[in-house]
Amino acid sequence: NAGVTQTPKFQVLKTGQSMTLQCAQDMNHEYMSWYRQDPGMGLRLIHYSVGAGITDQGEVPNGYNVSRSTTEDFPLRLLSAAPSQTSVYFCASSLGGASTEAFFGQGTRLTVV
Amino acid sequence: GENVEQHPSTLSVQEGDSAVIKCTYSDSASNYFPWYKQELGKRPQLIIDIRSNVGEKKDQRIAVTLNKTAKHFSLHITETQPEDSAVYFCAASNTGNQFYFGTGTSLTVIP
Repeated sequence: NAGVTQTPKFQVLKTGQSMTLQCAQDMNHEYMSWYRQDPGMGLRLIHYSVGAGITDQGEVPNGYNVSRSTTEDFPLRLLSAAPSQTSVYFCASSLGGASTEAFFGQGTRLTVV
Repeated sequence: GENVEQHPSTLSVQEGDSAVIKCTYSDSASNYFPWYKQELGKRPQLIIDIRSNVGEKKDQRIAVTLNKTAKHFSLHITETQPEDSAVYFCAASNTGNQFYFGTGTSLTVIP
């Protein structure tokens, strides 16, 4: 059982470049979300989805786009990378509804130079 | 939106001692409070959670308490061991899809 799988694990981008962080889950979870983790700031919600075709913004959505064409996949797109987007990114999924555990992917360490 | 504050940011204890981490939240609608442990370079993993209709929950050496009136909840680790060394995050949610995390506590257990 793979759980939540993120790719790539590491990425270096130049300022202005675009890229997509991939996230897939095989637990048939309705809810998926993206977080960024920065030192001293915990995990902050970027975007989330409550099901295929439905996405919404979290706390820090600027500079990122998402889509949810299938239940399994929830890619995060950086449109024009900036050094401020240097961070560790985590994708998470949960079954849905209140009081449900979030399962995290292994993370993507992104550096923008 | 929800605001979760977590203290302390760092905590060092001697092996065998207890460790306590405290969090407060702002949104009275929050009803689910998980705690995650993150080892260096790894993903956060759930260690214990509590729902708003429960005041306390225990799982072996780990316990969590919730005071809804005061909007705070705490993680208690007893008989700490070196393998408990990690960063711990509290979180709050009222929807199951939006989790608001505290800023983390780096726990070091000294052998």
